Amino acid sequence: EPEVTQTPSHQVTQMGQEVILRCVPISNHLYFYWYRQILGQKVEFLVSFYNNEISEKSEIFDDQFSVERPDGSNFTLKIRSTKLEDSAMYFCASSEAARIYGYTFGSGTRLTVV
Amino acid sequence: AQSVTQLDSQVPVFEEAPVELRCNYSSSVSVYLFWYVQYPNQGLQLLLKYLSGSTLVKGINGFEAEFNKSQTSFHLRKPSVHISDTAEYFCAVSGGSNYKLTFGKGTLLTVNP
Repeated sequence: EPEVTQTPSHQVTQMGQEVILRCVPISNHLYFYWYRQILGQKVEFLVSFYNNEISEKSEIFDDQFSVERPDGSNFTLKIRSTKLEDSAMYFCASSEAARIYGYTFGSGTRLTVV
Repeated sequence: AQSVTQLDSQVPVFEEAPVELRCNYSSSVSVYLFWYVQYPNQGLQLLLKYLSGSTLVKGINGFEAEFNKSQTSFHLRKPSVHISDTAEYFCAVSGGSNYKLTFGKGTLLTVNP
């Protein structure tokens, strides 16, 4: 069964450093998403991406965050200057036709900012 | 705006007992409803979804859910649980013109022997 692949599975970074979280969505999917889950809290929407542009973003997704689909297969989330409160599990998801088929989530990247 | 309320943060049950995990939602537009499961240290796996049609939806691992529009609920049920069902369960909704999912806070199901 096709999978959404996320790398790395765990990343530790120092406060103020830039991090790039990588995702390879399912190949025929058109919609891409990032969500995050702070430990013990609910999964929160960050951003959706369609047709090479952001289609929606949450208030969490401020100027420190950016997304890119650099080569038609990868989908990346960049955090420019990490803060302690950015520590969370970050999930990438993709879907073929949005909600019709549901979303396929990756296994997540656990980001720890120290 | 949409919201999801999962009424129980933790549900402990014994093996082979039935279980119901409750989910209520609010939305001003037609909704699509989902249940996801998260096993320890893993990602989110789709259990089942309601898009339209029959209000009783069957999913993987013997789970089912019933959409009740008048009560704005989408409760998840399983007639007989196994130890391996121990996990966090998330109810989620999307609707209107946006495609993002809004999640509930999750219910930790613990199945004891």
